[in-house]
Amino acid sequence: SQTIHQWPATLVQPVGSPLSLECTVEGTSNPNLYWYRQAAGRGLQLLFYSVGIGQISSEVPQNLSASRPQDRQFILSSKKLLLSDSGFYLCAWRGTGQKNSPLHFGNGTRLTVT
Amino acid sequence: AQSVTQLDSHVSVSEGTPVLLRCNYSSSYSPSLFWYVQHPNKGLQLLLKYTSAATLVKGINGFEAEFKKSETSFHLTKPSAHMSDAAEYFCVVISGNTGKLIFGQGTTLQVKP
Repeated sequence: SQTIHQWPATLVQPVGSPLSLECTVEGTSNPNLYWYRQAAGRGLQLLFYSVGIGQISSEVPQNLSASRPQDRQFILSSKKLLLSDSGFYLCAWRGTGQKNSPLHFGNGTRLTVT
Repeated sequence: AQSVTQLDSHVSVSEGTPVLLRCNYSSSYSPSLFWYVQHPNKGLQLLLKYTSAATLVKGINGFEAEFKKSETSFHLTKPSAHMSDAAEYFCVVISGNTGKLIFGQGTTLQVKP
């Protein structure tokens, strides 16, 4: 069966420090991968999605970037964190070519920028 | 364009009583609709999905939802609430063109003993 892993679960970082959040999927090949952010008391905002290795689409201009160095690995990064980057970050996947299928989410990373 | 509206930001019920979480959608296509549940500091878990098959959809943990095209609704129900049902619930529609998920703003379900 397919599983998705995100780490770390929680992270506290000072303003101006770098960020790297990692997400991996097991049990499937060539998944579509997604990064969402959920700010406190608000809905989910799509940040990035990827349909293949090295293919990244950005939904909103921001201080973050994403990379997909391997088929089932998706990384969210920042060179210098801002206070506004605090939030709950969720990685998700969906089978390739399954546009009408739901996403499967990881357990998220709670990021606090101080 | 597709959109989804969750009519209640907060619902409070007593344990053992029915749950109703309301969702209306707007879609120019035959939509794909989902309900997700999110417990505190956890990811989203798929409760159920509608993809143009049976209009009454049964999900996990005793939840079900009925797709009503005439009312453009996809309300989530459960006959008897458990304390463990306390969580945030999201109604989601898929954009037919892009396959992107469009989330409602969420409904917080409180279950009182």
